[in-house]
Amino acid sequence: EVQLVESGGGLVQPGGSLRLSCAASGFTFSNYRMNWVRQAPGKGLEWLSYISRSGTTIYYADSVKGRFTISRDNAKNSLYLQMNSLRDEDTAVYYCARDRWEQHVDYWGQGTLVTVSS
Amino acid sequence: EIVLTQSPGTLSLSPGERATLSCRASQSVASSYLAWYQQKPGQAPRLLIYGASSRATGIPDRFSGSGSGTDFTLTISRLEPEDFAVYYCLHYGTSGTFGQGTKVEIK
Repeated sequence: EVQLVESGGGLVQPGGSLRLSCAASGFTFSNYRMNWVRQAPGKGLEWLSYISRSGTTIYYADSVKGRFTISRDNAKNSLYLQMNSLRDEDTAVYYCARDRWEQHVDYWGQGTLVTVSS
Repeated sequence: EIVLTQSPGTLSLSPGERATLSCRASQSVASSYLAWYQQKPGQAPRLLIYGASSRATGIPDRFSGSGSGTDFTLTISRLEPEDFAVYYCLHYGTSGTFGQGTKVEIK
């Protein structure tokens, strides 16, 4: 069974940093591209970032470019999102999601809540 | 940048009725990169339709997708109580773009 489990969320002050993790199991992690997607409270879904299987190709949404960094450790079956210079508007549930065929995302984690507030 | 516009914002229907949800792209997109998701409160999204018209594993056949170019449709032929939720379309390429969602609520 495919499982994606996010962790690392919490309360952080504006301007602060946080590192999210996503532990993958039930599939060969190194064979799949991965994404981060977020959802602000009561709002829709926002795609944030994509990373290729080897980690050599990375894309970001303009809203997080230069502040967030996606990475992965295939030996640990883990995906990461380093978030710096956090703003109030970064408050959201953050999901990791598995890419399928570079055409859509199929599996999602349960999400981890990040709250940016003073 | 591709923008996806979903309509209507809210659809009020009764169980057993047919639901028709629209997703319009600001420019033509390849059908291969158009997917639909269902999200219930407090849950992660679930993949329903990929490639504009292919049902994901385990999705009931009352869900169907169609369309091409700039206009795509998700149809739920007969609403079951568990289908009342928010639905999103996604265009996935070198970046991802979601529509703003359509809420299907009980009338």
